[in-house]
Amino acid sequence: DTAVSQTPKYLVTQMGNDKSIKCEQNLGHDTMYWYKQDSKKFLKIMFSYNNKELIINETVPNRFSPKSPDKAHLNLHINSLELGDSAVYFCASSQDTGWNSPLHFGNGTRLTVT
Amino acid sequence: RKEVEQDPGPFNVPEGATVAFNCTYSNSASQSFFWYRQDCRKEPKLLMSVYSSGNEDGRFTAQLNRASQYISLLIRDSKLSDSATYLCVVSLYGGSQGNLIFGKGTKLSVKP
Repeated sequence: DTAVSQTPKYLVTQMGNDKSIKCEQNLGHDTMYWYKQDSKKFLKIMFSYNNKELIINETVPNRFSPKSPDKAHLNLHINSLELGDSAVYFCASSQDTGWNSPLHFGNGTRLTVT
Repeated sequence: RKEVEQDPGPFNVPEGATVAFNCTYSNSASQSFFWYRQDCRKEPKLLMSVYSSGNEDGRFTAQLNRASQYISLLIRDSKLSDSATYLCVVSLYGGSQGNLIFGKGTKLSVKP
């Protein structure tokens, strides 16, 4: 009965490959996010969707493309992977877009690009 | 100046100690404040929201000082299980909705 689940947990791939990370939440939340935590442990937002619509798109290379087929799912596709993409990617959800709506995180996908 | 700054630590304390973390934020328009906890190689989890009047949850007390733009977290009677990284989080009103700004975290290690 995991609230926010993302797969895979670990992803090791070579430069230039294309990969996807999937995320699903069963909390009935309206808003979902992708965050990136780099090697310095800095957690930064990448994208946010509210009811399948993109509402936040921070300065992220366009090699990263989120897709939300429904409000319970937010997947992340990455094209032409680079060494600098190595990080932990966290999916999260919140009840709504309100600024006092806390986040519920998935357990992360550790991406290593070689 | 970084948007949210924290002392990275590590804070190494014995069990039973009281420890306090501070966090400063740069945007005076910030409206919501939180402390999240992140265990090693795990996801962040909400520890507590921070209210203007200050609030307490068991051994944890959070305070907000808007004039000086800082937030604090006090942990009393530290337990071994409190060992984690504590993330200060600020949300901007009027900015991107739901856009939380995370500090880099303060690492706490509680020793027996």
